[in-house]
Amino acid sequence: GAVVSQHPSWVICKSGTSVKIECRSLDFQATTMFWYRQFPKQSLMLMATSNEGSKATYEQGVEKDKFLINHASLTLSTLTVTSAHPEDSSFYICSARQISSNQPQHFGDGTRLSIL
Amino acid sequence: AQKITQTQPGMFVQEKEAVTLDCTYDTSDPSYGLFWYKQPSSGEMIFLIYQGSYDQQNATEGRYSLNFQKARKSANLVISASQLGDSAMYFCAMREGSTTDSWGKFQFGAGTQVVVTP
Repeated sequence: GAVVSQHPSWVICKSGTSVKIECRSLDFQATTMFWYRQFPKQSLMLMATSNEGSKATYEQGVEKDKFLINHASLTLSTLTVTSAHPEDSSFYICSARQISSNQPQHFGDGTRLSIL
Repeated sequence: AQKITQTQPGMFVQEKEAVTLDCTYDTSDPSYGLFWYKQPSSGEMIFLIYQGSYDQQNATEGRYSLNFQKARKSANLVISASQLGDSAMYFCAMREGSTTDSWGKFQFGAGTQVVVTP
């Protein structure tokens, strides 16, 4: 079964709406989670690193106020796309990593966000 | 600068044949990990295989094997006996490990779309 759960899997909403996406590690604690964005037929681009109990670290070019990240517990990180516009439409995917250095990241199933 | 390069945007392979997906990487970090993921059209990322920079032997996982050539900085994925269900996008990824800033971050290649034909 999935070790990282992402919800919702699909969102369609009007422009100006804020959308929250949840990422949960199901059977392990994840002090660090990662948020990626993927445009059609392109690779995954890291947006930010979510750190439990502290501020997220954003990659260059990613707007902090636009993409709010909260990592309030060892098993949950949320990404909120604030005042979403059509250009924010994308596939958002989270991942979490276990402590051992050679463990792969476990990915959620992704969220397809469509802003009308 | 692009750290992971996958030069094959797409390829067709016949069922039951083997296919090699190319991946080259660039890093000055002595400690790193290389990963291959499969992404079917449904979108989920499926972990296939891992190779650590200090691993002496090439990694194998079932029908997947990784041809790791450290001096050439290449980590090609070999899929043996292709199946129709192998049709997907395949991503090579690297995680550098020595510094706090890089810890855990994945950098992905552009991906290779594989289509397996009957």
